[in-house]
Formats: sequence, C-alpha cells, structure tokens
Amino acid sequence: AQKVTQAQTEISVVEKEDVTLDCVYETRDTTYYLFWYKQPPSGELVFLIRRNSFDEQNEISGRYSWNFQKSTSSFNFTITASQVVDSAVYFCALSGTGANSKLTFGKGITLSVRP
Amino acid sequence: NAGVMQNPRHLVRRRGQEARLRCSPMKGHSHVYWYRQLPEEGLKFMVYLQKENIIDESGMPKERFSAEFPKEGPSILRIQQVVRGDSAAYFCASSWYSQQETQYFGPGTRLLVL
Repeated sequence: AQKVTQAQTEISVVEKEDVTLDCVYETRDTTYYLFWYKQPPSGELVFLIRRNSFDEQNEISGRYSWNFQKSTSSFNFTITASQVVDSAVYFCALSGTGANSKLTFGKGITLSVRP
Repeated sequence: NAGVMQNPRHLVRRRGQEARLRCSPMKGHSHVYWYRQLPEEGLKFMVYLQKENIIDESGMPKERFSAEFPKEGPSILRIQQVVRGDSAAYFCASSWYSQQETQYFGPGTRLLVL
C-alpha cells in the first residue's frame, strides 16, 4: 500500500520568510512518481511539480525548490521569500504504475503568509 | 487551451435525490480520474476511466455511486439517493496518454446535501 505523510498541518510565516513543507512517502514500487499540488482559497487544485523515482536531482523554479531524497523517502518543498499569495493548502501526492497509478495524497499543509 | 472543465460548480440536493457531476477532460486527454475531498479527510481517489472503460474503481463506494466515460461526451459521476455524508468537493482530473502522465485537475463540484 502507498502512503504519504505530511506531518505539519498548519504553518504560519511572515512575508519574505523562507518556509519548508515536509513530505514523507511509503511505497513498495520501484518506479513511482511524486507530486506537489497547491489549493488556494478559491478551491481549485494547481499542479506544481512531478518527479519520477529515478530522478533525484533537486529542482528550482523561481521561488520554489524541491528536495527529493530516496534514502529518507522524502520530497520536501521550500518556498523562498514567501508572499501573501502563497497562502494555500499544499498537498504532496504519490502514484505508482499499473494498478497503483492513482494518486495517493497526504492530508495537506495549510500555509498562511502574513503581511 | 482549455483546462479540465467540471459542471456544475455547485450542486444542492435533498436527501434521496440523484446527483450527476460532469467532467470534460483537457483536449487530447483520454484518461479521467475522480477524487473526493471530504472535510477533514483530504483527497481520496474514487475511480479511473478511459474512454468506455473503467480501469480502477477501487475507491468507489459499493452502492449508489457509478461513473462512466462514454466515447462521446463528458465523464459522468452519478450518485443515487444522496445522503448528507455525500456532501463534499468532487474533483475530476485528466491525463494525456498513459497512467504515468501528470493529472491536471478541474475546479471541482461542491455538492451539498440538505
């Protein structure tokens, strides 16, 4: 069975602070995919990143960066110089292949960025 | 390039009525997934469909829920004889040509059962 744990439930920071959202996953698959989605107050789900299990290179996209470490089964997400518009619920998700291709989500982290 | 479309965005039903939720995938996408977001429970997978086929329905409740993705037209999630516990946000996602591609989500349908 697949499992995603987002131990942090709520994080509150002041604008311009850096913040890291943790994600730990469990899977028996050797090939799998990791995702982060953002759910702003308006309610839609916005895709942020997809990583496959064979690519452990860290990725940076503007103020966002992701740290994938297979040794600790973690896929953490860092927002640098946070902004009020980053306030949202952030979900980490995992999918396998074949019969396990559905997304398994963590419970989400509510990030509040205060001005 | 239109994204995933869902309608209605909000749906109110009384207990015992039927709810029909529609999802039009992104252009060129042939894989559709339905997820449910219950308060305090996060997002849970319900069903995965390709055109005219149900691939994985392991997350669907055994009774009252059904889904289809016909050759022509949108995917439909049908809930018969709704109960208050069905109140949730229902999200549809689509992906391009295989199960491993990124799933892009629609805006969701918020179902309220009175």
